Amino acid sequence: KQEVTQIPAALSVPEGENLVLNCSFTDSAIYNLQWFRQDPGKGLTSLLLIQSSQREQTSGRLNASLDKSSGRSTLYIAASQPGDSATYLCAVSTSGGSNYKLTFGKGTLLTVNP
Amino acid sequence: DTEVTQTPKHLVMGMTNKKSLKCEQHMGHRAMYWYKQKAKKPPELMFVYSYEKLSINESVPSRFSPECPNSSLLNLHLHALQPEDSALYLCASSQQPGALEQYFGPGTRLTVT
Repeated sequence: KQEVTQIPAALSVPEGENLVLNCSFTDSAIYNLQWFRQDPGKGLTSLLLIQSSQREQTSGRLNASLDKSSGRSTLYIAASQPGDSATYLCAVSTSGGSNYKLTFGKGTLLTVNP
Repeated sequence: DTEVTQTPKHLVMGMTNKKSLKCEQHMGHRAMYWYKQKAKKPPELMFVYSYEKLSINESVPSRFSPECPNSSLLNLHLHALQPEDSALYLCASSQQPGALEQYFGPGTRLTVT
């Protein structure tokens, strides 16, 4: 059974700092890994999708890397802003026969202080 | 149109009520999903519809009944719920079932009294 772990559970940083969020998964037979952002009481916003054959993806100040063999991914946020405050969720897509499903980590609650 | 919409945004229902949650997307996606998210927990998959057919049911109690009337719509019919079913219900879609990006709606906040 796939298990996804995110470290740290919570992180508080001053504005402007660069930061790294970590995600690890137990079964390396994944099809892709997706990073989401969730604001309190809201839905999920997809930030980056990394296919299993890729090593990294970038979008603006965000960079996500994937090391499938070691079961790890990182989300790097450059020059953090108060608007980046949210919960960040990592999810991996694995196969269950002919079906696929996302398994989520518990998230990292990020607070960026002005 | 690149969004998934969900209605209602909030729902309060008694344990004897029957209600429905609605999800809609017009991106031509052929896979749609229902997730349940309790406070401070990650989303948990409930159902997957692939080409309008139920392909995954994660052992969800029968008081939750999904329906996919066409490729753009996904409903979740609720009946005889329990207070512990109170949660944020999220709908998502992807272009095809499987290893592709999922797009999530804003969710319906359900409270069962």
